[in-house]
Amino acid sequence: DAGVIQSPRHEVTEMGQEVTLRCKPISGHNSLFWYRQTMMRGLELLIYFNNNVPIDDSGMPEDRFSAKMPNASFSTLKIQPSEPRDSAVYFCASSVGQRNQPQHFGDGTRLSIL
Amino acid sequence: GENVEQHPSTLSVQEGDSAVIKCTYSDSASNYFPWYKQELGKRPQLIIDIRSNVGEKKDQRIAVTLNKTAKHFSLHITETQPEDSAVYFCAGGQAGTALIFGKGTTLSVSS
Repeated sequence: DAGVIQSPRHEVTEMGQEVTLRCKPISGHNSLFWYRQTMMRGLELLIYFNNNVPIDDSGMPEDRFSAKMPNASFSTLKIQPSEPRDSAVYFCASSVGQRNQPQHFGDGTRLSIL
Repeated sequence: GENVEQHPSTLSVQEGDSAVIKCTYSDSASNYFPWYKQELGKRPQLIIDIRSNVGEKKDQRIAVTLNKTAKHFSLHITETQPEDSAVYFCAGGQAGTALIFGKGTTLSVSS
């Protein structure tokens, strides 16, 4: 199994630009989670999907952030326009079912907004 | 909603000693408590988990205990080794909701 696949691994861009992060969950997993990790705030849940439907997006910081899951094998997290305070590592994770099962994390995207 | 507190934030031990990390949770409906290890620059990886119908679980040098009445759970690492050095995260949640993570404990094992 390839695990959760995220792209890009690193992204450096100027403030104001649109940023799109991508995630492919483990095949057969029907829950997908987006997290943001910073030194100050730790690991924060942004949004999670179950069967491609957003269940809880209360962690999305602002309207500049949006997430989609058009099918069971792909999700995107978009920031538009980006700001320097969005700099962080963004992780995607997936798990089986809506009952709490182990979440498996991708390698993350390290985002730097200049 | 759930709130998970984790202590200590940093922990330094000598190789061979034991390390204990403690977490408390607020939502009595939470029934699943995983622990993750994150090495520098890498992704969090699940090392052990426990569900609320069990009080203790062991896997070689790692054990987790759960006290539902007091709403706290702990990670115990025995015979620590330098490769145990990492950031450890506890988390809690219940069926149908997402996990809430603690702030993490940076464990340093010196040889």
